[in-house]
Amino acid sequence: AQTVTQSQPEMSVQEAETVTLSCTYDTSESNYYLFWYKQPPSRQMILVIRQEAYKQQNATENRFSVNFQKAAKSFSLKISDSQLGDTAMYFCAFMKLTSGTYKYIFGTGTRLKVLA
Amino acid sequence: EPEVTQTPSHQVTQMGQEVILRCVPISNHLYFYWYRQILGQKVEFLVSFYNNEISEKSEIFDDQFSVERPDGSNFTLKIRSTKLEDSAMYFCASSEGTGLKETQYFGPGTRLLVL
Repeated sequence: AQTVTQSQPEMSVQEAETVTLSCTYDTSESNYYLFWYKQPPSRQMILVIRQEAYKQQNATENRFSVNFQKAAKSFSLKISDSQLGDTAMYFCAFMKLTSGTYKYIFGTGTRLKVLA
Repeated sequence: EPEVTQTPSHQVTQMGQEVILRCVPISNHLYFYWYRQILGQKVEFLVSFYNNEISEKSEIFDDQFSVERPDGSNFTLKIRSTKLEDSAMYFCASSEGTGLKETQYFGPGTRLLVL
């Protein structure tokens, strides 16, 4: 069974600093997708960044980047120049590709607070 | 930018009552999903829906649950006889298709409270 583990329930970071959120996963699949979603206090989950497992290059999206270590099954999110608006719950998710259906398996989340 | 919408934002119901949660997916999306998040816990997959039928469902999605797309725009989740443990945030999501387009876009959720 696929599992996703986020070992940091809560983190805080000073505004303008850098923070890294960790995520590990377990799968026997060779091809899959990994995602980070942000859930602000307003509740709606927003895609932050995604990574295809067969791509060696780490995905980057403005201030957000990942460190994808396929052999170690690790997928951490780095937020540079943290802003107050980054305060949210962050979920790591694994997507399994099957013949006809796709679903996310989420981690338990990391609550990030950016401090002024 | 197109968004997934959900109504109502909050629903309070008595145990044993039926509830229908509504979702309007992004218009050109073909795949639809329901997830739930019990307070303080992780988001869990309930069901996926494509071409007017269920593609996959989790063990949570028992006979009390059903989904349908009654009119080509709405996508509904019905719980026939609610239980206390059905209290959760329910998220609808939709996606366009396969591959890189398979990112699922989530609605704001419906918070269901069963008393």
